[in-house]
Amino acid sequence: ILNVEQSPQSLHVQEGDSTNFTCSFPSSNFYALHWYRWETAKSPEALFVMTLNGDEKKKGRISATLNTKEGYSYLYIKGSQPEDSATYLCASPPNTGNQFYFGTGTSLTVIP
Amino acid sequence: EAGVAQSPRYKIIEKRQSVAFWCNPISGHATLYWYQQILGQGPKLLIQFQNNGVVDDSQLPKDRFSAERLKGVDSTLKIQPAKLEDSAVYLCASSFWGARDTQYFGPGTRLTVL
Repeated sequence: ILNVEQSPQSLHVQEGDSTNFTCSFPSSNFYALHWYRWETAKSPEALFVMTLNGDEKKKGRISATLNTKEGYSYLYIKGSQPEDSATYLCASPPNTGNQFYFGTGTSLTVIP
Repeated sequence: EAGVAQSPRYKIIEKRQSVAFWCNPISGHATLYWYQQILGQGPKLLIQFQNNGVVDDSQLPKDRFSAERLKGVDSTLKIQPAKLEDSAVYLCASSFWGARDTQYFGPGTRLTVL
């Protein structure tokens, strides 16, 4: 079992604020790191897949970085909007084995 | 491209009753997953199929849970009999080939056991 942790568990920000949260994972046996956004009553949506140390991915106002040596990834949201309110999940499949291990998620609420 | 379909979206049953969930993956995806997500926890893999064979069911409570994927396409997950602790969201996902590929999720079934 791979121990994937996310922090904080929940976050409330004002519209227009920028925010970030963390996913940590064991640096040994690393293969990839996936970020998902899960809005209430919808399907979890794949945001990014990251594999290389130092990777940085961007999609609109959302970006993510990866540090495989120290075992963490940051997700940043610039200028948060109410539609960004969701649970953000990270998951890591190890180099050996055949399943994703999910973190517990960060629940983001953007207050208009 | 159609996404992963699941039904029903919501289900309320009493303990000791039976329930079944259905999943239709993205066309052409070989691998199908069932996850259980209990409030406050991350999704936990229950069972993984590749085509119609089981790859991993190590976390499936086999005394009460069963799953099948006939003809390597649709899948059903059954709970019989249900317990209070089975209250959760049951997510189905599929990927093109293996577990390291990006997984695409359905909207989930929210099960409440009273």
